[in-house]
Amino acid sequence: DGGITQSPKYLFRKEGQNVTLSCEQNLNHDAMYWYRQDPGQGLRLIYYSQIVNDFQKGDIAEGYSVSREKKESFPLTVTSAQKNPTAFYLCASRYSGQGAYTEAFFGQGTRLTVV
Amino acid sequence: RKEVEQDPGPFNVPEGATVAFNCTYSNSASQSFFWYRQDCRKEPKLLMSVYSSGNEDGRFTAQLNRASQYISLLIRDSKLSDSATYLCVVNSIKDNYGQNFVFGPGTRLSVLP
Repeated sequence: DGGITQSPKYLFRKEGQNVTLSCEQNLNHDAMYWYRQDPGQGLRLIYYSQIVNDFQKGDIAEGYSVSREKKESFPLTVTSAQKNPTAFYLCASRYSGQGAYTEAFFGQGTRLTVV
Repeated sequence: RKEVEQDPGPFNVPEGATVAFNCTYSNSASQSFFWYRQDCRKEPKLLMSVYSSGNEDGRFTAQLNRASQYISLLIRDSKLSDSATYLCVVNSIKDNYGQNFVFGPGTRLSVLP
């Protein structure tokens, strides 16, 4: 089955720790995205990547880092510099070839809580 | 001004009602448009794409007005199961890098028995 998988589903982090959220897709999609959602709020873009070995900051990149070493994978690291990391994190992917304007598919999300 | 704006609601409507949501976008170079549905504590899922000529899928109708830069979603004969947050999404070229996929803040709908 093709799809996009995020893990873990729930993650607890102690203050001052870095944690990495996994996002893997087997849809052969070029573009991948990370969003953050706070309770009752919309999705805010953290980072996105259109091709392997390249990525761009979104609207709220401070305190986060990403890598895109493989087309299938786009892990997000929440660093200790992110002062309020408790949120619902969503990864998405989509095909973005020349002239293509397709929908995005989402993973099931990771709920991160600082303890 | 935010790139994509929606009325946050909530819209509380009785079963069987017709309800309409609007969404406005600021980037005139935007290329494609979508409506997503998000249930509480779940990931967004595609409801429908929005085409220039407008499109319909059962009880749902989407319209695009490029001149006024807004998108609409009409839900007829509302069901209890339609209760969710509806997200407007706009795809546009960004900084010559590629395409950006921007979400509106969402409109919350509650269908009441």
